[in-house]
Amino acid sequence: SQQGEEDPQALSIQEGENATMNCSYKTSINNLQWYRQNSGRGLVHLILIRSNEREKHSGRLRVTLDTSKKSSSLLITASRAADTASYFCARTLPGAQKLVFGQGTRLTINP
Amino acid sequence: EAQVTQNPRYLITVTGKKLTVTCSQNMNHEYMSWYRQDPGLGLRQIYYSMNVEVTDKGDVPEGYKVSRKEKRNFPLILESPSPNQTSLYFCASSLGARARETQYFGPGTRLLVL
Repeated sequence: SQQGEEDPQALSIQEGENATMNCSYKTSINNLQWYRQNSGRGLVHLILIRSNEREKHSGRLRVTLDTSKKSSSLLITASRAADTASYFCARTLPGAQKLVFGQGTRLTINP
Repeated sequence: EAQVTQNPRYLITVTGKKLTVTCSQNMNHEYMSWYRQDPGLGLRQIYYSMNVEVTDKGDVPEGYKVSRKEKRNFPLILESPSPNQTSLYFCASSLGARARETQYFGPGTRLLVL
């Protein structure tokens, strides 16, 4: 399967703590994207990181990419209740026009 | 407002009754695609389109049809729906004709096939 693995499947932390989610994949990629989905709603794009980049930041979000290990991580710092959502990584394969999503990490921030 | 719209948002139907889920974007995007989301399986791509009259299969195209006659519209057609097509469906679009660009998602269509 081209789908990767996201780890953990579910994560529950206290407000103010940092949350780290991981995404692993099996094939080479063009880029990797992270999306957020609030319960039952459409996905919202967070960050895109290209295969030649190692780290990107956007506000409280930090994404790293290690192509040698075929893995990426999303770090949310100083979490808030509003960060409660499912987070998905998605990648495109070289030469392909398909976007392949992971199965997602369900993040719960407890007040 | 720049957006991707889907209709209907909720649909209950019976096996074999043809249905169409519409998708429209007002951002002049080249690339459009359809996904289905099922518990434990994440999002899986059904079909995509890189431009008008250019469509191709994703990972789970069986039982679905699409067309791209206009740039802004990309309807999903279920000719003979079956219960295993009960799912949450999302349409998405991106500016360039490439999947690797940022995707903008519609709000989703929840389909129940009895």
